[in-house]
Amino acid sequence: AQSVTQPDIHITVSEGASLELRCNYSYGATPYLFWYVQSPGQGLQLLLKYFSGDTLVQGIKGFEAEFKRSQSSFNLRKPSVHWSDAAEYFCAVGAYNTDKLIFGTGTRLQVFP
Amino acid sequence: DTAVSQTPKYLVTQMGNDKSIKCEQNLGHDTMYWYKQDSKKFLKIMFSYNNKELIINETVPNRFSPKSPDKAHLNLHINSLELGDSAVYFCASSPIRVNYGYTFGSGTRLTVV
Repeated sequence: AQSVTQPDIHITVSEGASLELRCNYSYGATPYLFWYVQSPGQGLQLLLKYFSGDTLVQGIKGFEAEFKRSQSSFNLRKPSVHWSDAAEYFCAVGAYNTDKLIFGTGTRLQVFP
Repeated sequence: DTAVSQTPKYLVTQMGNDKSIKCEQNLGHDTMYWYKQDSKKFLKIMFSYNNKELIINETVPNRFSPKSPDKAHLNLHINSLELGDSAVYFCASSPIRVNYGYTFGSGTRLTVV
């Protein structure tokens, strides 16, 4: 069965510091992988996605993620965090032959000035 | 121009009542979804419709009944509301299955008292 694990429930960083949010997935076929961000009281916004090809994908707001098949990981990174990046981040997995996304439990990012 | 709009944004109601949540998308997408986000932020798919046809019905109590009058609308009706139904309900849409990721609405926070 498909599953997504986000090991870090809560991460705190200082503004300007680098960020890496971890995501591990379990899926038998080639996965489609996504990162979403949810600001308080808002819906989820797509940051970036991976289907195939280049394993390093660029997204909006300066985020990037790297797909590592050998580690079943799709970690999200940002070189320099801004206070406005404070939000909940969700990793999700899907596939070409399915109509649903399986979401991780989310990582809450707090940014200190 | 809101891409996926849900109404109402907040809904407070008593146990046993019946309520509906409406969702409309103006993106021309073929597929629409309902997701439930519980108090721990966990997102789980409830239903999926493709061009007015039900394609996913997860293990949701039959008190929940989706209706899609056309491919731009997907409503959720809930009968005999229970305390455990309190959650945030998100509508989402995608052009064709999951390949391109979802566009989410801003959510409806349902509180059953």
